[in-house]
Amino acid sequence: AQSVTQLDSHVSVSEGTPVLLRCNYSSSYSPSLFWYVQHPNKGLQLLLKYTSAATLVKGINGFEAEFKKSETSFHLTKPSAHMSDAAEYFCVVSNAGNNRKLIWGLGTSLAVNP
Amino acid sequence: DTAVSQTPKYLVTQMGNDKSIKCEQNLGHDTMYWYKQDSKKFLKIMFSYNNKELIINETVPNRFSPKSPDKAHLNLHINSLELGDSAVYFCASSPLIAGGSEQFFGPGTRLTVL
Repeated sequence: AQSVTQLDSHVSVSEGTPVLLRCNYSSSYSPSLFWYVQHPNKGLQLLLKYTSAATLVKGINGFEAEFKKSETSFHLTKPSAHMSDAAEYFCVVSNAGNNRKLIWGLGTSLAVNP
Repeated sequence: DTAVSQTPKYLVTQMGNDKSIKCEQNLGHDTMYWYKQDSKKFLKIMFSYNNKELIINETVPNRFSPKSPDKAHLNLHINSLELGDSAVYFCASSPLIAGGSEQFFGPGTRLTVL
């Protein structure tokens, strides 16, 4: 069975400092992994995805994530936080079957302080 | 614009009423979904349809009935609304891609049951 754990429910950083949002997954085979972002009162937007190609994945808005199989991790990073990055971030793992089911983490709320 | 759209955006109703939410995607995707997001931001898959055929039906009260008239539309009808049905409901769609199953989300429908 697959699962995903976001290790921090809330992260607070200062503008201009690095962002690290942690995610660990469990999967019995090579998973597809995603990070989605949800800004306040908005829908969900894909930030980036890993599908067994390069282990370092670059996404939109300067975010990137590294797939580390040995650590079963897919942490999301950004070198310098911007006020507009304040949002809820979801780490997601996909099963490989035909039912296209995503397993969602509980989310990490990112606050960016001026 | 190519997108996933939902109507209405806001829905306020009394307990016991019946209501519907409509979803349409013009991305040419084969699979569509309904999610429920509670006040703690937890996202729960409710249903998934592939080419008008139900493929995921999570443990959802049978007061909730999805209907897919064609692969571009997936509507959600809710009978006898209860207070606990208050949430944001998201529609999503995904292409038929082997390996990854990135989903594209609508803007959400905020349902408030009084």
